[in-house]
Amino acid sequence: GAGVSQSPSNKVTEKGKDVELRCDPISGHTALYWYRQSLGQGLEFLIYFQGNSAPDKSGLPSDRFSAERTGGSVSTLTIQRTQQEDSAVYLCASSLGISGSWGSEQFFGPGTRLTVL
Amino acid sequence: DQQVKQNSPSLSVQEGRISILNCDYTNSMFDYFLWYKKYPAEGPTFLISISSIKDKNEDGRFTVFLNKSAKHLSLHIVPSQPGDSAVYFCAAVNTGNQFYFGTGTSLTVIP
Repeated sequence: GAGVSQSPSNKVTEKGKDVELRCDPISGHTALYWYRQSLGQGLEFLIYFQGNSAPDKSGLPSDRFSAERTGGSVSTLTIQRTQQEDSAVYLCASSLGISGSWGSEQFFGPGTRLTVL
Repeated sequence: DQQVKQNSPSLSVQEGRISILNCDYTNSMFDYFLWYKKYPAEGPTFLISISSIKDKNEDGRFTVFLNKSAKHLSLHIVPSQPGDSAVYFCAAVNTGNQFYFGTGTSLTVIP
């Protein structure tokens, strides 16, 4: 379909390894968001890309986390030297990026479940 | 600092009755509010929204109410159906298109 896709759907890694999570937003959506949902927690904002503007990185929990968005489309979230507390579902969402009802609605991907052993 | 709060982690309602999910926020500069529904192992899906210039928006069985003076938002589902069982997140958006989500309320509709 034409929705937001994320890969992999599940990732199990060992503590200290690096991981890359991928997000393919809906074509034409200029805004892209990464969130994290830990067990029993709400959606924790990580980073926000809007068009060609500098990303809003205010939600990244540490400098081990980084993200990029190439060509205004696909985004990769990288976690270096993973820790057990990084275990969570990582969700990506995209939107038209325009303020107001029809522009603000976010469409979420199915998420990547990351388990750090 | 949690700018959007959902103080009830769970709610159980009989089928056919009204479900009321509540949400409070702290920032009076939010100009748009949304509700999302999330099933296990899936990403959240958009349900209904309301602009800060309105106090009510209705879509079928779903109605969202906004009380700006109280900084309070609620979602009413009438009548509730078993398929409505899910986690519901409220979200607030500022003019910079930054989203703030609540921690979610797990709704169980009992047949």
